[in-house]
Amino acid sequence: AQSVTQLDSQVPVFEEAPVELRCNYSSSVSVYLFWYVQYPNQGLQLLLKYLSGSTLVKGINGFEAEFNKSQTSFHLRKPSVHISDTAEYFCAVSPPRRGSNYKLTFGKGTLLTVNP
Amino acid sequence: DTAVSQTPKYLVTQMGNDKSIKCEQNLGHDTMYWYKQDSKKFLKIMFSYNNKELIINETVPNRFSPKSPDKAHLNLHINSLELGDSAVYFCASSPFGEFSYEQYFGPGTRLTVT
Repeated sequence: AQSVTQLDSQVPVFEEAPVELRCNYSSSVSVYLFWYVQYPNQGLQLLLKYLSGSTLVKGINGFEAEFNKSQTSFHLRKPSVHISDTAEYFCAVSPPRRGSNYKLTFGKGTLLTVNP
Repeated sequence: DTAVSQTPKYLVTQMGNDKSIKCEQNLGHDTMYWYKQDSKKFLKIMFSYNNKELIINETVPNRFSPKSPDKAHLNLHINSLELGDSAVYFCASSPFGEFSYEQYFGPGTRLTVT
């Protein structure tokens, strides 16, 4: 079984400050990792994913994340946030193979609030 | 052009009623999903279908019955609605294949049971 822990339920920051949203996972096998963003009253949108290769992955809107296997972490970062980044961010994990029973397991989300 | 659409966007109903939520995707994907997001924003998969065939059923009460008339549609019918069914329900789709991992989500249907 796989699980995801997002350590912070809420992260308030000021505009143009850097931000890190933390995500740890648990799995007995290798995993693929994802960050999704949910803007208010909208569905989820993929920010970035780690499948293999370089442990630093870049996504949309200036976000990046680093996969750390020894610490079982996949923290999301942005060097300078904007008001428009205010949203709920979800970390998710999946098994490594895209079989017929493929599914994502989500963390409980982190609400990022960017203040002026 | 909306990739994954859901109707209705809002649904308010009383306990004991039966209701349906519809989902359509125009992405040509083979796999579709239903997720439930509770009041604390926790997202949990309910069902997945691949080419109209049920693949995943995550211990959802049998009051919930998904129906896939074709691979572009996945509807969710809920019988005898209960207060605890109040949530936002998201439909999603993805291509099927070894290297297809991204899921595309609809805008959600907010169900309120009174």
